[in-house]
Amino acid sequence: EADIYQTPRYLVIGTGKKITLECSQTMGHDKMYWYQQDPGMELHLIHYSYGVNSTEKGDLSSESTVSRIRTEHFPLTLESARPSHTSQYLCASSPRGENEQYFGPGTRLTVT
Amino acid sequence: AQRVTQPEKLLSVFKGAPVELKCNYSYSGSPELFWYVQYSRQRLQLLLRHISRESIKGFTADLNKGETSFHLKKPFAQEEDSAMYYCASIGGRRALTFGSGTRLQVQP
Repeated sequence: EADIYQTPRYLVIGTGKKITLECSQTMGHDKMYWYQQDPGMELHLIHYSYGVNSTEKGDLSSESTVSRIRTEHFPLTLESARPSHTSQYLCASSPRGENEQYFGPGTRLTVT
Repeated sequence: AQRVTQPEKLLSVFKGAPVELKCNYSYSGSPELFWYVQYSRQRLQLLLRHISRESIKGFTADLNKGETSFHLKKPFAQEEDSAMYYCASIGGRRALTFGSGTRLQVQP
């Protein structure tokens, strides 16, 4: 089934650990995005990609990094997690030529 | 930079009452506008987009370029409409810019 997947759904981790949040889509979309959202607040774009080997930083400054080696995969990495990284991270994708975005279920990250 | 403003964090109405969720945008060109909805324990999903000019679940939204608004309306609210609603815009090459969201609470 065509969908967008995020793992893990929930993650509690200690300060200083390296983490990777996974995002995969089976919809054949070219464009992919990462948003950060605190509870009840707006979504902030932190990274986006228009295709393989293309990544750009978004509006919100983030210490995370992303890679796009395969069309369907857009992982986000934090080299050293801090409590300020506690948030929900949403992955989205959209097809070429369209602006409508499809969202994954999100990863809720807590850094202790 | 683009900006989307949703002035109400919470809107509470009774079942059967009309609903209007406000959204204003700032963009000098011609943006594309969307409304997204997030029901409890579900992912964010598209409700409607201005270019399709359709009604989804009884909701409509009209783009008013003079007032730079894209308010979401429904004549008769239902309890199942209770959710978080986000207005979003895009202009140019980047990604959606979201408002801070309005929680709609429909009471029986």
